Amino acid sequence: DTAVSQTPKYLVTQMGNDKSIKCEQNLGHDTMYWYKQDSKKFLKIMFSYNNKELIINETVPNRFSPKSPDKAHLNLHINSLELGDSAVYFCASSQRSTGELFFGEGSRLTVL
Amino acid sequence: SQQGEEDPQALSIQEGENATMNCSYKTSINNLQWYRQNSGRGLVHLILIRSNEREKHSGRLRVTLDTSKKSSSLLITASRAADTASYFCATEGSNYQLIWGAGTKLIIKP
Repeated sequence: DTAVSQTPKYLVTQMGNDKSIKCEQNLGHDTMYWYKQDSKKFLKIMFSYNNKELIINETVPNRFSPKSPDKAHLNLHINSLELGDSAVYFCASSQRSTGELFFGEGSRLTVL
Repeated sequence: SQQGEEDPQALSIQEGENATMNCSYKTSINNLQWYRQNSGRGLVHLILIRSNEREKHSGRLRVTLDTSKKSSSLLITASRAADTASYFCATEGSNYQLIWGAGTKLIIKP
């Protein structure tokens, strides 16, 4: 079974649209994350979330919003997509006490 | 923000040789972690070294940490074609947030 799974793997859409990426982890971890990786492979934390707190990177536009229906899921909603949003988005999870992150396979978003 | 700086940015070696990558950081840390990312895939955790540790081994991997110099190195011995990937270091600070380096792209030539 895949530990951290995210869908869709590829997403091509027009500017101005709203889209969502789903993430699920079956590891029983208490913390989940969304990362953005740009074309130069830089990794940027967008959100980290556990059942107690949501930590938002202040540089992330408020068009991006995480939604967590339960501990095992953290979905990413993006409104009014812009060209600069094109990137690979990774979901990850960890047990905060151990520190090690487990990543999904990524969702490549292309905004036309 | 990117705390970690990795060098080299890219490294190309012959299969069987050893590969060494370095990571420097700026603030105090709880631990430092190394990850591998194969092309088109997610990151995979390789090894975690705590701030009170100086060296750690896992199979063909050897990680060192020098907190006085705020630097770490990852050594891959007897490299294989399958080791071709990008390697990232990440430092965890007191707030449990990971800060990532820019990565080293390693190419193993057969």
